[in-house]
Amino acid sequence: GDSVTQMEGPVTLSEEAFLTINCTYTATGYPSLFWYVQYPGEGLQLLLKATKADDKGSNKGFEATYRKETTSFHLEKGSVQVSDSAVYFCALLTGNQFYFGTGTSLTVIP
Amino acid sequence: NAGVTQTPKFRILKIGQSMTLQCTQDMNHNYMYWYRQDPGMGLKLIYYSVGAGITDKGEVPNGYNVSRSTTEDFPLRLELAAPSQTSVYFCASTEGYEQFFGPGTRLTVL
Repeated sequence: GDSVTQMEGPVTLSEEAFLTINCTYTATGYPSLFWYVQYPGEGLQLLLKATKADDKGSNKGFEATYRKETTSFHLEKGSVQVSDSAVYFCALLTGNQFYFGTGTSLTVIP
Repeated sequence: NAGVTQTPKFRILKIGQSMTLQCTQDMNHNYMYWYRQDPGMGLKLIYYSVGAGITDKGEVPNGYNVSRSTTEDFPLRLELAAPSQTSVYFCASTEGYEQFFGPGTRLTVL
């Protein structure tokens, strides 16, 4: 069935470090791909999306490119800030259903 | 515009008790979803609805029921609570590719 696999955390980085969180997917057809972010005690919020192969989603300095050949959608940011500390979820949409990865916890230390 | 609201925020149930988790959205979205999030895990889809009067099972529907009599409301019913249903429950509605999440209900079954 359809699924998302993302790298396990937790990830701890120093401020201004480079961030990569890996995400790969399995899906029939052509899913849309997403990264969501969850801050403590809150629901998930959409961070960025890509709806077709080779699309690049970007928001708040985060980027991810939809790679059909490697079935991947890795999240990157060139310089993280303390305020980026959160849990990040990779997700795909196929038909009417969303499938989420297990989440990667990121802590950025000053 | 309140977005997606959920009540209650917290609840403790005894085994075998019943309860309804309320979810309301004021964005006139047709698609609504119920997820559960267990510690260190991603979101698992319980039920979803594509419009008033239409519901369908997700990945983990056992032990739950839903109804959708209006566009705004999508309550989730637990009939005989079990410890395995201890989780955080999120309701979401969708516009296009974006899911809007409520703040969650933390349920403990003892």
